[in-house]
Amino acid sequence: DARVTQTPRHKVTEMGQEVTMRCQPILGHNTVFWYRQTMMQGLELLAYFRNRAPLDDSGMPKDRFSAEMPDATLATLKIQPSEPRDSAVYFCASGIQGIETQYFGPGTRLLVL
Amino acid sequence: DQQVKQNSPSLSVQEGRISILNCDYTNSMFDYFLWYKKYPAEGPTFLISISSIKDKNEDGRFTVFLNKSAKHLSLHIVPSQPGDSAVYFCAAGGFGNEKLTFGTGTRLTIIP
Repeated sequence: DARVTQTPRHKVTEMGQEVTMRCQPILGHNTVFWYRQTMMQGLELLAYFRNRAPLDDSGMPKDRFSAEMPDATLATLKIQPSEPRDSAVYFCASGIQGIETQYFGPGTRLLVL
Repeated sequence: DQQVKQNSPSLSVQEGRISILNCDYTNSMFDYFLWYKKYPAEGPTFLISISSIKDKNEDGRFTVFLNKSAKHLSLHIVPSQPGDSAVYFCAAGGFGNEKLTFGTGTRLTIIP
């Protein structure tokens, strides 16, 4: 069945290192979202794309985070340099333009030491 | 500024009883609301939704109620089952706009 996939599922890294997270949206979906789950803020929207074009990245720390969609089957979220406060679970979700329901991947659990 | 609030971080309910999860919002432009359920080590999954033209939507054991004047919605689960133990997120968006704002979640524990 169709699912959003995310890699890696877990990542442990040291402060200052670059981290790249990948997402494969459901085939045929043209919207992609990146979220970060924290205890205090719940699910925070970091960035979202429609037809591979970035529409909103206001939730993302611009100096260290970047999000791209090199093609319709791949979205990436990069942190450079990583910091301990970036430790969280990062979710990717995909959907269809104009439809509110989003489908989430299993998440990448990131720990920055 | 939290536009979608779930003020109860956790809730425990006896199996077979009704579970009621609450959500408040501040943005009057929201006109579509969703509930997601999340198990540990998995992504959230869509559960049920409601648009602002309705005040109730039902799907099996799950019913969502919307009170627009109070900017409040609730999810009722009856009867509650052990498999309902999970974190529930409330989300809101503008109709036809795929961007959603999520609450902080409520952890529901069903006691056998």
